[in-house]
Amino acid sequence: SQTIHQWPATLVQPVGSPLSLECTVEGTSNPNLYWYRQAAGRGLQLLFYSVGIGQISSEVPQNLSASRPQDRQFILSSKKLLLSDSGFYLCAWSPKGLGTEAFFGQGTRLTVV
Amino acid sequence: SQQGEEDPQALSIQEGENATMNCSYKTSINNLQWYRQNSGRGLVHLILIRSNEREKHSGRLRVTLDTSKKSSSLLITASRAADTASYFCATGSILTGGGNKLTFGTGTQLKVEL
Repeated sequence: SQTIHQWPATLVQPVGSPLSLECTVEGTSNPNLYWYRQAAGRGLQLLFYSVGIGQISSEVPQNLSASRPQDRQFILSSKKLLLSDSGFYLCAWSPKGLGTEAFFGQGTRLTVV
Repeated sequence: SQQGEEDPQALSIQEGENATMNCSYKTSINNLQWYRQNSGRGLVHLILIRSNEREKHSGRLRVTLDTSKKSSSLLITASRAADTASYFCATGSILTGGGNKLTFGTGTQLKVEL
């Protein structure tokens, strides 16, 4: 069966520090991968998605970047965090093909102080 | 940007009652999905309805889709305290390279009281 791992679960970082959140998927190959951010009490905002290794699409201009160095690894990064980067970050994967559901990790609560 | 808007934003009912949540969206879709999120956790997929379907059932869940009105509803029958969570609709559109790009709404917070 497929599983998705996302870590860390919580993170407190000072303004101006770098960020690296990692997500890995097991039990499937060539998945579509996604990073979402959820502000408190709000819906999910799609940040990045990837349909293959090295292929990254950005949905919104921001202080963050994403990379996919391996088929089942998706990394969210920042060189210098801003206060506004605080939020709940969720990684997800979906199979290729039309009308597929997404499977989410447990999320990372990031607080920038 | 948010594609879907759920209504109501919050809903409080008694155990055993039915809960209905509505979702409206703006653009053409391939499919619409409903997800559940327990507080501080990831989302769990509940049900998917395709653009050529009008109604779908799964256990105590019933979803309808009206593409002419760009709206969907999620009905949870005989609710239980364990159904307390936030519920999100998500519209799916085709990604170049295959797969689904999901755009989520703002969610409905459901509280089921004993």
